Amino acid sequence: DAKTTQPTSMDCAEGRAANLPCNHSTISGNEYVYWYRQIHSQGPQYIIHGLKNNETNEMASLIITEDRKSSTLILPHATLRDTAVYYCIVRPNSGGGADGLTFGKGTHLIIQP
Amino acid sequence: DTGVSQDPRHKITKRGQNVTFRCDPISEHNRLYWYRQTLGQGPEFLTYFQNEAQLEKSRLLSDRFSAERPKGSFSTLEIQRTEQGDSAMYLCASSLFPSDRSSYEQYFGPGTRLTVT
Repeated sequence: DAKTTQPTSMDCAEGRAANLPCNHSTISGNEYVYWYRQIHSQGPQYIIHGLKNNETNEMASLIITEDRKSSTLILPHATLRDTAVYYCIVRPNSGGGADGLTFGKGTHLIIQP
Repeated sequence: DTGVSQDPRHKITKRGQNVTFRCDPISEHNRLYWYRQTLGQGPEFLTYFQNEAQLEKSRLLSDRFSAERPKGSFSTLEIQRTEQGDSAMYLCASSLFPSDRSSYEQYFGPGTRLTVT
């Protein structure tokens, strides 16, 4: 799986949009970008994934640059419950795509009241 | 609740003892994964099963670690002769493979926190 780089921590004011960046400059053509988050003392939770088009679901939006070397996860109206560690993971959706996930250290997002 | 469950949630043991953790996946999921997470780090993949077959076990940390899924439903992770360095959160996840969706997202349980004294 391609390596990802994320900031160690970020702050965001409650009610504002939280924008979490991820660099994945070595991503290959068949690799998707996945985002998970882990709230303190819980297991990781799937958020969203995408290949090259922007994606949106009920939790977040994912913006992938045209060259696919970076992406941004957007939480449109952050709440205190969004305080968590956010992990960006790059992996194929075929073959080994359903094997074990490779987590980095992620970004610790702190939502400030 | 139809999510992934793990038992126990907390385990304290003395160095040298054996411990066993249980994971019950989402009922229709055929893949089951085990991860270990130490403080300040992301989860580290250990092993996974498709039904009862263990498809990857080279990532298990040592020969003291073993996992089973005898009937393709629940799974157990055993650590023999525990060491203080085994203290960590042990996470289980499940997924459906192949998926009729474009994603192979994994659903995680709450984890078992092991403390070795």
